[in-house]
Amino acid sequence: EAGVAQSPRYKIIEKRQSVAFWCNPISGHATLYWYQQILGQGPKLLIQFQNNGVVDDSQLPKDRFSAERLKGVDSTLKIQPAKLEDSAVYLCASSIPGGYTFGSGTRLTVV
Amino acid sequence: KQEVTQIPAALSVPEGENLVLNCSFTDSAIYNLQWFRQDPGKGLTSLLLIQSSQREQTSGRLNASLDKSSGRSTLYIAASQPGDSATYLCAAYGSARQLTFGSGTQLTVLP
Repeated sequence: EAGVAQSPRYKIIEKRQSVAFWCNPISGHATLYWYQQILGQGPKLLIQFQNNGVVDDSQLPKDRFSAERLKGVDSTLKIQPAKLEDSAVYLCASSIPGGYTFGSGTRLTVV
Repeated sequence: KQEVTQIPAALSVPEGENLVLNCSFTDSAIYNLQWFRQDPGKGLTSLLLIQSSQREQTSGRLNASLDKSSGRSTLYIAASQPGDSATYLCAAYGSARQLTFGSGTQLTVLP
């Protein structure tokens, strides 16, 4: 079974620029999550999708972050404009009841 | 809102020692509790998942216990090895159908 694919692996941008991350979940996994992990902290949920609908985006900074899940499969997370404090690893995960699988993440550095 | 705390934040032990990592959570209405391992610059690897009806799970040298009533879980690592050096994260899965993570314990096993 293929895992959760994320790209790019690394990204360095200047503040106020925009950036987008892509996630391809495991086939058949209806639920998809984006987490933000700041260095030295545990992952924090940004947004949760069930198929192509948003279940929870209460911790997503909506003034600069947006996310969509196309046709209930792939997902993109966008930041526009980026701030220094957005430097983090962005993890995508997909799940079926009882099982989570995480991707390797995208490490974003904002300079 | 679920909050997960891990103690200690960092731990350094000599090779061969048995050790215990602690995790506490504020909302005992969880479906399961998971322990993950994270190597530097990598994603999350699931180690053990304990369902709410279970008391413990074992995998090789790892044993995780769950006490829902007290809001605690422990991860026991027997005969530690340098290859066990990593950050260990616990996460509670509750009624919101999402994982809430602690900040992790950074373990260093010295040869």
